[in-house]
Amino acid sequence: QSVLTQPPSVSGAPGQRVTISCTGSNSNIGAYYGVHWYQQLPGTAPKLLIYDDTNRPSGVPDRFSASKSGTSASLAITGLQAEDEADYYCQSYDRSLSGSVFGGGTKLTVL
Amino acid sequence: EVQMVESGGGLVKPGGSLRLSCAASGFTFGSYSMNWVRQAPGKGLEWVSSISRGSDEIQYADSVKGRFAISRANAKNSVYLHMNSLRVEDTAVYYCARDWDGYNTFDYWGQGILVTVSS
Repeated sequence: QSVLTQPPSVSGAPGQRVTISCTGSNSNIGAYYGVHWYQQLPGTAPKLLIYDDTNRPSGVPDRFSASKSGTSASLAITGLQAEDEADYYCQSYDRSLSGSVFGGGTKLTVL
Repeated sequence: EVQMVESGGGLVKPGGSLRLSCAASGFTFGSYSMNWVRQAPGKGLEWVSSISRGSDEIQYADSVKGRFAISRANAKNSVYLHMNSLRVEDTAVYYCARDWDGYNTFDYWGQGILVTVSS
């Protein structure tokens, strides 16, 4: 069981908007540690998608956005495209565990 | 171009040992903390260990504490993961990842190396 909780799967039609939640606790997200999001395409290494709660690295389309409130965070993808079909992971730091923690991952299916 | 290439994986019996290496290029290696993250077949990502720029701060996931040891050689632009007392559940693809800002933001990842623990 992962320290950060994500839904196992989400889906949406091309052009639609989907959101992926990430629920933690006062030991990680709620302790003001940054939340980061990664996209993992099939058979490839993860790619940093969002860092420090809401920031996009250079080259990441603005269709991807994120937010954080309390002990939870959320990733939103608008204008869904077939190429967005991937696994998405949230990640933060946990002060009780003294290490990074990941969510269990969410598989996005573009219908 | 930032690149990280893992090596040293393979098949090992339960109880055995293995040393993974990650060779980095394209950036000032000694200026960044480095991490190992693994992914069991069909499963999610699991952080394994981190090492600070000067090797003075080292952390491990509880699942590997006492069995794995991380080290680095800044002169060789390399980070290592020494794995002892391997278990079947350690079977995974192991990635090295660069910590961009010292706050556990993994901006670059290697391609991963498979470690299989099986009798």
